Amino acid sequence: GAVVSQHPSWVICKSGTSVKIECRSLDFQATTMFWYRQFPKQSLMLMATSNEGSKATYEQGVEKDKFLINHASLTLSTLTVTSAHPEDSSFYICSARENQASGANVLTFGAGSRLTVL
Amino acid sequence: AQKVTQAQTEISVVEKEDVTLDCVYETRDTTYYLFWYKQPPSGELVFLIRRNSFDEQNEISGRYSWNFQKSTSSFNFTITASQVVDSAVYFCALSGNNAGNMLTFGGGTRLMVKP
Repeated sequence: GAVVSQHPSWVICKSGTSVKIECRSLDFQATTMFWYRQFPKQSLMLMATSNEGSKATYEQGVEKDKFLINHASLTLSTLTVTSAHPEDSSFYICSARENQASGANVLTFGAGSRLTVL
Repeated sequence: AQKVTQAQTEISVVEKEDVTLDCVYETRDTTYYLFWYKQPPSGELVFLIRRNSFDEQNEISGRYSWNFQKSTSSFNFTITASQVVDSAVYFCALSGNNAGNMLTFGGGTRLMVKP
């Protein structure tokens, strides 16, 4: 089945640094990927929709200059948390849409990346 | 706007008990998709089921079963003879029009199965 790889699975960084998280579709092409954020004991909230070759669409309240999304190829989207602060500490999960030949669209989630900002 | 409500934030049962996790949704789309995911402590989301709005048949998969009631906008999930390994957070989610669209998640239900 479809596999989405996220890297790194966990990262600890100092306040003020930038962190890049990669989301790769391993065996299919994904023109659309979604980035979610999950704070401890809370639900997943959509941050942005990443579209290959164009700008990402951000949800209300998500700072696009802080959370930079790049979807430069059909198999890779990256989320960069710029100038990270402790309040950015969270679990970030991506999902990729696979456009199957049958016409059905299937979402596959990555395993998530846990960011801790000291 | 879409909304998914999981009224039960935490449920605790003893092993072998049956347990039902409730999910109520709101959407204006005529075509939509409902999902259930399991999130164990490790964090990854494990896909359990996807249901489209035109298919109201209940489904059973081993100890898992799902009851889709369009009339009450509910998509409840039952685990029969629960096991300790079922302990996790379970999320109900909704996408409109296209199963590959972004998902709106419910708040999640933390299930604790005690031996």
